[in-house]
Amino acid sequence: DAGVIQSPRHEVTEMGQEVTLRCKPISGHNSLFWYRQTMMRGLELLIYFNNNVPIDDSGMPEDRFSAKMPNASFSTLKIQPSEPRDSAVYFCASSPGRALGQYFGPGTRLTVT
Amino acid sequence: QQQVKQSPQSLIVQKGGIPIINCAYENTAFDYFPWYQQFPGKGPALLIAIRPDVSEKKEGRFTISFNKSAKQFSLHIMDSQPGDSATYFCAAFLTGAGNMLTFGGGTRLMVKP
Repeated sequence: DAGVIQSPRHEVTEMGQEVTLRCKPISGHNSLFWYRQTMMRGLELLIYFNNNVPIDDSGMPEDRFSAKMPNASFSTLKIQPSEPRDSAVYFCASSPGRALGQYFGPGTRLTVT
Repeated sequence: QQQVKQSPQSLIVQKGGIPIINCAYENTAFDYFPWYQQFPGKGPALLIAIRPDVSEKKEGRFTISFNKSAKQFSLHIMDSQPGDSATYFCAAFLTGAGNMLTFGGGTRLMVKP
């Protein structure tokens, strides 16, 4: 298995632009998580899905952030409009459930200028 | 509210030393405690995990010690090597909470040659 796949790996955009991050979880995993990592705030859970259904989005910082999971093999995290303070590394992780751990992707480094 | 507190934030040891990273949790219902290792530019990777009915678990040079009454657990790295230099995260999991992990703030470890 290729593991969790994220794209793009790096994204540089200007303030006000729309940004879409993509994730393909490990096949057979029923939970998917979006995290944001910064030096100041560490690793923050933004939202997670179970069986493609959003369960908890309380970590989504603002209405500018939205996430979808249209099927078991694909999820997106969208920021519209983007701001410089959104600059961070965004990780997607998937899990087969039952306390078997989460498997992280390589992350997308987002820079908003 | 941070439910898992991790210390220290950073740690420097000489090669061969035994770095110890500590975590404390609040919710006694947590029932699975994994540790993640993150190298620069990579996503966190599951390193070792323990359940609260066990006081110690060893995998190679990595050992988790668990003190249920004190609500604390720690990671020990025996005979540390420069290749162990990474950021380590402890986490806690609650069965039935949607496969969601609560992460500590992370410890940046540097092992000097």
